[in-house]
This record gives sequence, C-alpha cells and structure tokens, in this order.
Amino acid sequence: QKEVEQDPGPLSVPEGAIVSLNCTYSNSAFQYFMWYRQYSRKGPELLMYTYSSGNKEDGRFTAQVDKSSKYISLFIRDSQPSDSATYLCAMSGRRGSNYKLTFGKGTLLTVNP
Amino acid sequence: DTGVSQNPRHKITKRGQNVTFRCDPISEHNRLYWYRQTLGQGPEFLTYFQNEAQLEKSRLLSDRFSAERPKGSFSTLEIQRTEQGDSAMYLCASSLVGYAYGYTFGSGTRLTVV
Repeated sequence: QKEVEQDPGPLSVPEGAIVSLNCTYSNSAFQYFMWYRQYSRKGPELLMYTYSSGNKEDGRFTAQVDKSSKYISLFIRDSQPSDSATYLCAMSGRRGSNYKLTFGKGTLLTVNP
Repeated sequence: DTGVSQNPRHKITKRGQNVTFRCDPISEHNRLYWYRQTLGQGPEFLTYFQNEAQLEKSRLLSDRFSAERPKGSFSTLEIQRTEQGDSAMYLCASSLVGYAYGYTFGSGTRLTVV
C-alpha cells in the first residue's frame, strides 16, 4: 500500500460546478498537508496548505484535513476552465522531517466551458 | 527574482550517454530539492541540500546519479550511462529552512532516453 492514495481520475465537470478532490494516507506522522496544482509541462504550484486537522478557505478553494480518518479534501467552488490541471496532494512529517514531501498520483481535472 | 530556474527544459539522449541538468533556486532559499516525476505519477523525492551539504539521498538515487550544490548556490544533477527507465521529468525546488509549506518548484527538465 502506498503512503498516499489519490484517485487519478480523470474528472470532467461543467463550468460552475463544485469539485471535490480527495486523498487518503496511511502514515500517522504526517502533520503538514498541501495541495499543488500542475499545468501540463509545468512544475507543481502550491495552492493550499494546512497544518494538522481543520479547514482552510482561500477564495474559491477550501482545504479540509481529517486526521482521525487520515483523509484530506480540496473543494473548488464555481469551477472555471482555467482550473483545468492536475491536482496533487502532498504531505510531510513533524518538524525536523518536514522537508520531504510525499505526493499522491494527482487527479486530472477538466472544466468544460 | 524570477523563481526557480531549470535548464534545459527538454533533453533527448541516447541510452548510455551522460546528461547533466542545472537548477538555479530562489536566491535567499538555503534548501534545494530534486524530485523525479514519471507519467501519471506524483513527484518522488530524490535528494536535498541545505546550503552546500547534501543531507539525504533517496534509494531511488542509484550510483549512476550524482548531485552537487557548490557554494550553496545552483545545483547540478548528473545521470551517467542513462537507461530508458531514467526517462522522466526532473523537478528542482527550493525553500527556506523550517518552512514546511515553502517549496517553490521549477518547471522541470524533461528527459527522454532513446
């Protein structure tokens, strides 16, 4: 079993839809949780980050972490064609080992106009 | 500062040849990381530097791979005797020490071994 599992999709939604992206993980040492967006032929770009459990909102994006279930989510409201990209969840451990990110496979999202 | 710069963007090489990639991090960042990403997978950690010291190497980094960061500035990743399985995107990132969220990735070098 991989440390981080993410459904690779692909996921196709109409413009304006609410998108839900999810990851599960097995390593209880993970404390820092991130979502990256990666456009084709580009490097990953940090979108959202959360420490430990809880919710965080930034504009149309909401990140949720449920450490008891080892489950993290990213919600995108009012999705736009420009949101079409691969979304990668990433996590790292406690201070002192938080330099190394473990990524999911990524979910390919297409938002259709 | 224009972010993390990687060169070349794309490299095609014949099996058995040596290749070298370069990464220029954000100037004030003292940590530099190399990751490898194959098609349909997330990036996988290869190695990282704090200033000029290489502090950890993944088991993915075979003896054919070597990375350097002279003087704690730019870094190079060399692959000797390339194999078809080395074909991947090689990503460089940089951050400040202790800032867990602070990775900035470059656009990567796509290696194709034919």
